[in-house]
Amino acid sequence: GENVEQHPSTLSVQEGDSAVIKCTYSDSASNYFPWYKQELGKRPQLIIDIRSNVGEKKDQRIAVTLNKTAKHFSLHITETQPEDSAVYFCAAIRRRGNKLVFGAGTILRVKS
Amino acid sequence: GAVVSQHPSWVICKSGTSVKIECRSLDFQATTMFWYRQFPKQSLMLMATSNEGSKATYEQGVEKDKFLINHASLTLSTLTVTSAHPEDSSFYICSALELPGSTGELFFGEGSRLTVL
Repeated sequence: GENVEQHPSTLSVQEGDSAVIKCTYSDSASNYFPWYKQELGKRPQLIIDIRSNVGEKKDQRIAVTLNKTAKHFSLHITETQPEDSAVYFCAAIRRRGNKLVFGAGTILRVKS
Repeated sequence: GAVVSQHPSWVICKSGTSVKIECRSLDFQATTMFWYRQFPKQSLMLMATSNEGSKATYEQGVEKDKFLINHASLTLSTLTVTSAHPEDSSFYICSALELPGSTGELFFGEGSRLTVL
């Protein structure tokens, strides 16, 4: 089955700096890679996603890159703000079964 | 986007009792729903896949007799934690696909925090 590894487990950045979170996946059949932001005690919120036929996607301060050959994908947050502080999860899903497998999560702290 | 509602949002129960959590898709039909469990400071772990009109598919290590899943309609799946024990205390979250059979966005319920005394 799919295995998703996520690094780093914690990340502290100064307000205005960029943050990068990286994930690797094991199943080459995976074709959809969402990123979720979860605040304490709340449901995960989709912030950006990318499909396997695309190498990069950007939405304002957030971007995701995908390297299918290396089986890794990354989340980039630019001009970080205190409200970006949360836990971020990457995930991978394969079409068959549509099971979403999550990475372990990254606690992002943006210091003002 | 699609809306998934989960109830109750939190519940406290005594050890040995059973607790039922409901997950509803409010504006779409969900033939497949997923149940996750999240312990403090950990990731979401898939427990089972709930299929409308058929038996749920459980992940390895999840006891199907302890975590009963029923998906009797296209808009409702329930998770019953039977004979709950303190180690079952966790955050339980359901999710559903808006477009069955496609690799699309999952929509999550609000989550249910279970505390077993």
